[in-house]
Order: sequence, then structure tokens, then C-alpha cells
Amino acid sequence: GAVVSQHPSRVICKSGTSVKIECRSLDFQATTMFWYRQFPKQSLMLMATSNEGSKATYEQGVEKDKFLINHASLTLSTLTVTSAHPEDSSFYICSAPLTSHEQYFGPGTRLTVT
Amino acid sequence: EDKVVQSPLSLVVHEGDTVTLNCSYEVTNFRSLLWYKQEKKAPTFLFMLTSSGIEKKSGRLSSILDKKELFSILNITATQTGDSAVYLCAVSSGTYKYIFGTGTRLKVLA
Repeated sequence: GAVVSQHPSRVICKSGTSVKIECRSLDFQATTMFWYRQFPKQSLMLMATSNEGSKATYEQGVEKDKFLINHASLTLSTLTVTSAHPEDSSFYICSAPLTSHEQYFGPGTRLTVT
Repeated sequence: EDKVVQSPLSLVVHEGDTVTLNCSYEVTNFRSLLWYKQEKKAPTFLFMLTSSGIEKKSGRLSSILDKKELFSILNITATQTGDSAVYLCAVSSGTYKYIFGTGTRLKVLA
């Protein structure tokens, strides 16, 4: 079945550094991918829509210069958290739609900024 | 503003009980409603509903959508401890775009 992978699964970084998270669709192509953030005991909040070959679309309140998204190919999107701060610590999840109705989630990346 | 509301927020039951989780929504351009189960990591897909009144069933889980009253329910019969998780409801309000509810945290006691 359709699978989405994410790497790394867990990362700890120091405040002020940048962290890159990769999201890959396996066995299918995804011209669009989504990036979500989930704080403890809260639901998934859509951060941005990653579009292959064009700029990402960011949700209101999400800083595009802080969360850089690059959709390099039909199977890979990357999210770079630049100049990370402790408040950026969260669970980041990507997803890719297999059909217009259904999307598959990656396993998530837990980011801890110290 | 589009929104998805789930209830209850949390629920504790004993093994063997039946539970009903609710999801109501208000979106301007409804396409589909999805249920997910989230344990420690990313959500796993349970059901997708697009039509009213048609029950989707998978083992002890079932779900139905009411597009007139704008809600869906997820039923779990004969609950087991492995059913303990957060159940998320998401509604598609446009092409590929989903709005998630806050989730219902279910705990099943042995």
C-alpha cells in the first residue's frame, strides 16, 4: 500500500540552528504534500502546502521565512526550520494525498530545541 | 470560518464496552470526512466518508455520515485495550485540504 516516510524520526538541536526534515512518498508520486505541526495533546494544525515545481502555500500565522519548504521532486518535500527556538519544539508530520479524498501520513518527526 | 468539533474530548471505558465518538463540522465546501486513529506517532487511516447514510465497517469499528445534520459518528464495539488512542476526525474543505478536529482521547481499561 501507499507509504509516506519521514526522516529523521527524532532530532534534538540547539537554539539558533536549523533543522531539515524530509518527507518522501514511496510507490506513488505526490505533486502536493502537506506539513502539519502537533503540540502535545492538541490536534494537527496545517502549516503549509508543498507544491512540486512552485512555491509552497503557507497557512495564516506561519512564517514562510522560518519554515522553508522545498518540493524538489514528485516524491520528496523538505521542511527546514531555520533559527530554531524552544517554542518550535513540536511533532512535525507530513502527508501526501493518494487520491483527491485520501491522504497518507508520514510517521512524524519529533523536534526538540534546547 | 470552517471548523470541526469532536466530542467527547476524552473517554474512559472498560474492555467490552461500546463507544460512540462524535464529529460535527461546518465547512464551506465539503468533499469528504475521514477518521484516523493516532497512537504514539502519526495518524493511521480508518475510514473515508463521502455519502450520507452509508455505513462503513471494519471489524469492530463502523462509521456513518449525516450530511444534512453535518456530523459523523465512529462506533467501536467490544472495546479492547488496544483501542486506546486519540481518534481524529478530518474534513476536506477543498482540493486536498483538511481541517482536523481536536480529537477524542479514548482509554480502555482492562
